[in-house]
Amino acid sequence: GAGVSQSPSNKVTEKGKDVELRCDPISGHTALYWYRQSLGQGLEFLIYFQGNSAPDKSGLPSDRFSAERTGGSVSTLTIQRTQQEDSAVYLCASSLASGGTDTQYFGPGTRLTVL
Amino acid sequence: AQSVTQLDSHVSVSEGTPVLLRCNYSSSYSPSLFWYVQHPNKGLQLLLKYTSAATLVKGINGFEAEFKKSETSFHLTKPSAHMSDAAEYFCVSRYTGRRALTFGSGTRLQVQP
Repeated sequence: GAGVSQSPSNKVTEKGKDVELRCDPISGHTALYWYRQSLGQGLEFLIYFQGNSAPDKSGLPSDRFSAERTGGSVSTLTIQRTQQEDSAVYLCASSLASGGTDTQYFGPGTRLTVL
Repeated sequence: AQSVTQLDSHVSVSEGTPVLLRCNYSSSYSPSLFWYVQHPNKGLQLLLKYTSAATLVKGINGFEAEFKKSETSFHLTKPSAHMSDAAEYFCVSRYTGRRALTFGSGTRLQVQP
C-alpha cells in the first residue's frame, strides 16, 4: 500500500518568508508526527498528533512553528518568518497508535533551504 | 532524561565480515528501543524493535540486536556485511507514556569491497 508522502520534496525560500509543508499519512493511521533532521541538531521530535489534536508539541523550537491536522489525515507544518537556522529536512511519520509499541513509518522528507 | 548513545559515528567493514553497531541507553526502566536505517536520499526504515517480549530481536535484511539490561546496551549486529548495507543507522528510544522517538546521533556504516 501507499506509504507516508510529503510535499514538496524540496523547498527553497528567502529569509523572512512563510512556508507550508504537507504530510499525507498512511491511510487509517491515527497518529502523526513531525521531526526535523539537521546537521547541527541531528534528528529531533517536533510535534505529535492523535487524530486532530496535538497532545505533545514540546519539540516545536519557537512560536514561528505551528502545525495542524484536519480530518484526522493530512497535516501541515507552517514556519513563519523563516530563518537560516530553519534549514533542515522535515520528516513526517505516522502510526496506528494501537499501543505503546506501535511502529512509526516515515515519509521521504521535505528538504527546506532558507537563503 | 532518557536518551540513547551511539558509540561510533562511523564504522567501516569489508564485505562479508561481521557488522557491530553499538548503542547504549540510559533509563531507570526498560524502554522501547528501535533501530532505523537511512539510505542516501531515502526515508527512514525500521530495521527492528525491542518491546520486552524477547531480548534477542531479529530484524530485516539479516540484522539482529540483543537487549542487555545489565549493560544498558542494544547493539546491532549482522554476521556478514553486504555492499547494500552501506547507510546511516540510528538507535532510537521511546519514553514510557510518550509517543515521541528520541534518536541517537547516528552511525554511518561503510562497506568496502
